[in-house]
Amino acid sequence: GAVVSQHPSRVICKSGTSVKIECRSLDFQATTMFWYRQFPKQSLMLMATSNEGSKATYEQGVEKDKFLINHASLTLSTLTVTSAHPEDSSFYICSARDGAGGARNEQYFGPGTRLTVT
Amino acid sequence: DAKTTQPPSMDCAEGRAANLPCNHSTISGNEYVYWYRQIHSQGPQYIIHGLKNNETNEMASLIITEDRKSSTLILPHATLRDTAVYYCIVRVAMDTGRRALTFGSGTRLQVQP
Repeated sequence: GAVVSQHPSRVICKSGTSVKIECRSLDFQATTMFWYRQFPKQSLMLMATSNEGSKATYEQGVEKDKFLINHASLTLSTLTVTSAHPEDSSFYICSARDGAGGARNEQYFGPGTRLTVT
Repeated sequence: DAKTTQPPSMDCAEGRAANLPCNHSTISGNEYVYWYRQIHSQGPQYIIHGLKNNETNEMASLIITEDRKSSTLILPHATLRDTAVYYCIVRVAMDTGRRALTFGSGTRLQVQP
């Protein structure tokens, strides 16, 4: 089946620094990738949608200047949390949509990245 | 996407069938019922989906009522590794609008030894 990877799986950073999270589709081309955030004991919340070669579309309340998304190729999207603060500590999950049309479902999820800001 | 309602939590004994209900009374004719699950600290995992017929795969069975206003996900022989949050999502399949899946609060299934 389709595989999506994320790197790193865990990261700890100091307040004020920036952190980059990578999301890769390993065996398919992803024309669209989605970034979610999940706080403890809560459901996944969509942050933004990125389409290859164009600007990301952010959900209401998500600061585009703080959460920079780059989808430069059909297999890679990156999320950069700039000037991170402790309240940005969360579980970040990406998913990728198979550009050819998924056989049984359209979105494939990565394993997630646990960000802790100290 | 039609709204779904799931119980917040359920327990199941290991080896027994786990039956997880979902209500979607406002479902439209072209909307599918999808089920995903999320094991703690992992990304969501696709389980199964269906339109109106019952479906079965290696992971689970999906029973959709004739009026399509509710469905039940059945894990026939639950194991401890099935402990997870299960999400029922209703949406149009093969959505050319490239919209993301929207997750509700799901059902937290705890499989007991």
